[in-house]
Amino acid sequence: DAGVIQSPRHEVTEMGQEVTLRCKPISGHDYLFWYRQTMMRGLELLIYFNNNVPIDDSGMPEDRFSAKMPNASFSTLKIQPSEPRDSAVYFCASSLADLVVNTEAFFGQGTRLTVV
Amino acid sequence: DAKTTQPTSMDCAEGRAANLPCNHSTISGNEYVYWYRQIHSQGPQYIIHGLKNNETNEMASLIITEDRKSSTLILPHATLRDTAVYYCIVISGSRLTFGEGTQLTVNP
Repeated sequence: DAGVIQSPRHEVTEMGQEVTLRCKPISGHDYLFWYRQTMMRGLELLIYFNNNVPIDDSGMPEDRFSAKMPNASFSTLKIQPSEPRDSAVYFCASSLADLVVNTEAFFGQGTRLTVV
Repeated sequence: DAKTTQPTSMDCAEGRAANLPCNHSTISGNEYVYWYRQIHSQGPQYIIHGLKNNETNEMASLIITEDRKSSTLILPHATLRDTAVYYCIVISGSRLTFGEGTQLTVNP
């Protein structure tokens, strides 16, 4: 397996524009996680899914952020409208099972978003 | 989630063992200790995890104290490529909550 695949790797957009980040989890993994990393706040969990259903979105910063998982092999994180403070590296991760039951998460290479 | 405490930074000479400590005094009996690392500009990478017993794999060893209130990650022969931020995480609630971690710098 190629691992967790994220696209694009880099995205530069203007303030106010819509941004869509994409993630393909490892085949067969039931859990998918979206994280954001900034210098100020470190790695933060935004939302996670189990079997395509959002379980906890308490980390989503505001209504401008939305995430979907239409099927087991694809998820999107959308920001509309984007703001300069959204500039960060966004990571997607997947796991075979619930992390509390002795399993590991696999991370993608991230999408570096710059909003100007 | 149980809180973990790690030193902010550590240095290690290439070829020597790197011992990274972590305190997790509020850990519950059924919570695992996980270690991940993040090499600059890459996604976090799983290293090892344990519950009560010491664990070893091809990357590292994990030593957990008998009272489970602390643990030590051991990289037996550190290389320059092991320079990274190392995160000690106690998992509960189906999620990984990252703290600030320890910046390990391996020097030639």
